[in-house]
Amino acid sequence: DQQVKQNSPSLSVQEGRISILNCDYTNSMFDYFLWYKKYPAEGPTFLISISSIKDKNEDGRFTVFLNKSAKHLSLHIVPSQPGDSAVYFCAALGGYQKVTFGTGTKLQVIP
Amino acid sequence: DAGITQSPRHKVTETGTPVTLRCHQTENHRYMYWYRQDPGHGLRLIHYSYGVKDTDKGEVSDGYSVSRSKTEDFLLTLESATSSQTSVYFCAISRTSGDTDTQYFGPGTRLTVL
Repeated sequence: DQQVKQNSPSLSVQEGRISILNCDYTNSMFDYFLWYKKYPAEGPTFLISISSIKDKNEDGRFTVFLNKSAKHLSLHIVPSQPGDSAVYFCAALGGYQKVTFGTGTKLQVIP
Repeated sequence: DAGITQSPRHKVTETGTPVTLRCHQTENHRYMYWYRQDPGHGLRLIHYSYGVKDTDKGEVSDGYSVSRSKTEDFLLTLESATSSQTSVYFCAISRTSGDTDTQYFGPGTRLTVL
């Protein structure tokens, strides 16, 4: 059973526009949600997180929104840059600091 | 940079042979993890450790074992490799970032089982 779901395997966006990556989860006990970014041939890198008691967290061009009632979160990147092209993983933090990952969305930012 | 190295970075082996992957960290973190990444599955947890000699299974632990005899080293062993274990393997540690703990990953090991 996939507890964290990313239903869009890929997304293409023009440079300068907004990228919106979506994620759904099923376990209401998760305390934190995280986004990771992964370039080819590298390990994932932590991008931004949000506590389950908040509905928004912002860090520069990256904003994560959480809708607990819908069990949905999204990552907004504004403005999108070609260097943002990567695979983005949504994830949720549980016990023993274990992280459950979604299947990823490949973002392509077109110059 | 969380001071995580993985070895080897690439390995090709044959079905039925044993394989050991090594993860080494330099920052004395308590929690360490092994994941595999496969297309369509994202990252899936194989095993994790919450201290020296303290380990537990993740969601895809069948066919894998781990050992942690020192804080800095976490070993993943495939006792008898199968083609279904062809994957990219990532080691991670847990570290506090802002108001939460999150995981930092090594560079990965690409394993091919023929």
